[in-house]
Amino acid sequence: GAGVSQSPSNKVTEKGKDVELRCDPISGHTALYWYRQSLGQGLEFLIYFQGNSAPDKSGLPSDRFSAERTGGSVSTLTIQRTQQEDSAVYLCASRKGGQGDQPQHFGDGTRLSIL
Amino acid sequence: GQSLEQPSEVTAVEGAIVQINCTYQTSGFYGLSWYQQHDGGAPTFLSYNALDGLEETGRFSSFLSRSDSYGYLLLQELQMKDSASYFCAVRGEGAAGNKLTFGGGTRVLVKP
Repeated sequence: GAGVSQSPSNKVTEKGKDVELRCDPISGHTALYWYRQSLGQGLEFLIYFQGNSAPDKSGLPSDRFSAERTGGSVSTLTIQRTQQEDSAVYLCASRKGGQGDQPQHFGDGTRLSIL
Repeated sequence: GQSLEQPSEVTAVEGAIVQINCTYQTSGFYGLSWYQQHDGGAPTFLSYNALDGLEETGRFSSFLSRSDSYGYLLLQELQMKDSASYFCAVRGEGAAGNKLTFGGGTRVLVKP
C-alpha cells in the first residue's frame, strides 16, 4: 500500500482480555517501530525491528507486552491481561533502509480503550 | 538516557510567526527531527537537522545548535491548517542512532 496501515482503528475491550494490534508497513521498508501515545502526551517508544536483527525491546513497559514481525513485513503487538492504564493510541511507523536519518512514516494508530 | 523539553502550548494569529524551542539532554546524539500531528491523525515528518544551522522548507524552518543542545522549529505566515501538535525528537540511542526519543509536544493554536 501507499502508507502504513494499522488495524483495527479502534478497539474497546474489557480489563483482563488479550488484544492484538496489527501493522502493515510501507513495502520495502526494513525498519518498523511501535509507539504508545497517551492523550495529550508525546510518543513513548515500545519496540523496534530492523530486518532480520534481534528486535530492540527496551521500551516494552511489562512482560504483558510482546511483538513480532513475520517475514520482515507485517507486525503484531500483543497485550495480554489488559489493564486500564494500557488505554492509549498505539502507533506504528516504518522507515526505509538501515540509516536512522531517514524519516519515519506513521500509521493512523489504533485507539485502545480498556473498560 | 534522553530527555527533551518543549513548551506545551503556543497561540498565535494567522499570518504571524511562531518559534517552538526544544532543548535536549542525551547520552548520544545524531540529529534532531520535527514531526507535526493533527488531532486524531498520524505524526508526519517535517524536518531533520544533523548539523548546526538553519534548514528551510517552505514556510517552515528548523535550526540546530549542538553545542547548546538546542533547536527550534519556525513556522512563518501561519495558516489555520497549521493548528496541530509539533514534536521534536532526538535520534540518539540504539545501533547507529536508530531510535527516536520524542518530546512531549507543543500544541499550536492558530486564531483568525
